Amino acid sequence: AQTVTQSQPEMSVQEAETVTLSCTYDTSESDYYLFWYKQPPSRQMILVIRQEAYKQQNATENRFSVNFQKAAKSFSLKISDSQLGDAAMYFCASYGGSQGNLIFGKGTKLSVKP
Amino acid sequence: DAGITQSPRYKITETGRQVTLMCHQTWSHSYMFWYRQDLGHGLRLIYYSAAADITDKGEVPDGYVVSRSKTENFPLTLESATRSQTSVYFCATHLDRANYEQYFGPGTRLTVT
Repeated sequence: AQTVTQSQPEMSVQEAETVTLSCTYDTSESDYYLFWYKQPPSRQMILVIRQEAYKQQNATENRFSVNFQKAAKSFSLKISDSQLGDAAMYFCASYGGSQGNLIFGKGTKLSVKP
Repeated sequence: DAGITQSPRYKITETGRQVTLMCHQTWSHSYMFWYRQDLGHGLRLIYYSAAADITDKGEVPDGYVVSRSKTENFPLTLESATRSQTSVYFCATHLDRANYEQYFGPGTRLTVT
């Protein structure tokens, strides 16, 4: 069974600084995808970034980038120039199971200090 | 507006009552999912559907029933609500398996007293 582990229940960052959220996963699939979702207080799940496992290049979306280490099964999210609006729960997720669903980590709550 | 809607957004019910949470999508995507979100557990799959009239269990299906007579609707029913079903419920969809991103509804916060 696939598993996703987020070892940091809470993180804090100063506004304009950089923060990295950790995620490790375990899968027996050869073809899979990894995602980071953001959940602000509104509760809406918002896709931040995704990574295809077959791509060696790390995905980047504006201030958000990932460090994908396939051999280590690690998929961390880096947020640069943190903004107050980045404060949220962040969930790491993997896709690749037969059911077509996402497997989620338990989440990391990010606080941004002004 | 295109997207996924869920209703109600908030619901309080009593133990033993039947409750139905509604999910509607405007895209006609084949796959739809129900997740529950609990503190310390992230999101866990309850049921999913690959197409109309095709449904299957996920990780935590006990106490829930689903149906999908139309592609755009995927209701989730708690047949006899229990306090352990107090949670936030999310409906999601993606376009077959070519688009692996999942789009989520706004969620329903259910409290069972």
